Amino acid sequence: KNEVEQSPQNLTAQEGEFITINCSYSVGISALHWLQQHPGGGIVSLFMLSSGKKKHGRLIATINIQEKHSSLHITASHPRDSAVYICAVRESGGGADGLTFGKGTHLIIQP
Amino acid sequence: NAGVTQTPKFRVLKTGQSMTLLCAQDMNHEYMYWYRQDPGMGLRLIHYSVGEGTTAKGEVPDGYNVSRLKKQNFLLGLESAAPSQTSVYFCASSYQASGANVLTFGAGSRLTVL
Repeated sequence: KNEVEQSPQNLTAQEGEFITINCSYSVGISALHWLQQHPGGGIVSLFMLSSGKKKHGRLIATINIQEKHSSLHITASHPRDSAVYICAVRESGGGADGLTFGKGTHLIIQP
Repeated sequence: NAGVTQTPKFRVLKTGQSMTLLCAQDMNHEYMYWYRQDPGMGLRLIHYSVGEGTTAKGEVPDGYNVSRLKKQNFLLGLESAAPSQTSVYFCASSYQASGANVLTFGAGSRLTVL
């Protein structure tokens, strides 16, 4: 079973700062997901990627398959970005149940 | 609005009581999932379904049962609730197998077992 580690576990930053959240995994994957969960709220899918880089607004996700590592970047951070960010991976050849989730990174952006 | 709807959003049970959580999706997704989320742990899969009439066990299935009688609905049942089942439960669905396609999550159901 894949081990998914996220760092840091908690991050507090000031509005406007560039944010990086990291995700590493132990076994080869076919896809990696980044999810966002606001306090008391549901979970929203931000990105699904299997190689390279994706960008949506101020969010950028990158993945390095050889190093088994992905990063989620937030540019010009804003208090509304405060949330838990979750990394999840699907192992190569994984079946319908094949997602392993990290424990999440709790991000707080202070005004 | 299209999406995944979970009911109820909150429930308090006494040990030994039974209940059913309902998940409904209107996106014609084949795959549906029930997860639980506990403090300090990642989401864990309880049961899943790859289509109407089919269900399968996930990582933590004990104490739960599920049914998928209609494609749009996925029910999670607790036959005899235990305090260890106090958790936040999330339903999710996807067009293809999770990982091959993005998941759409419900808003969550917070269950407390006393």
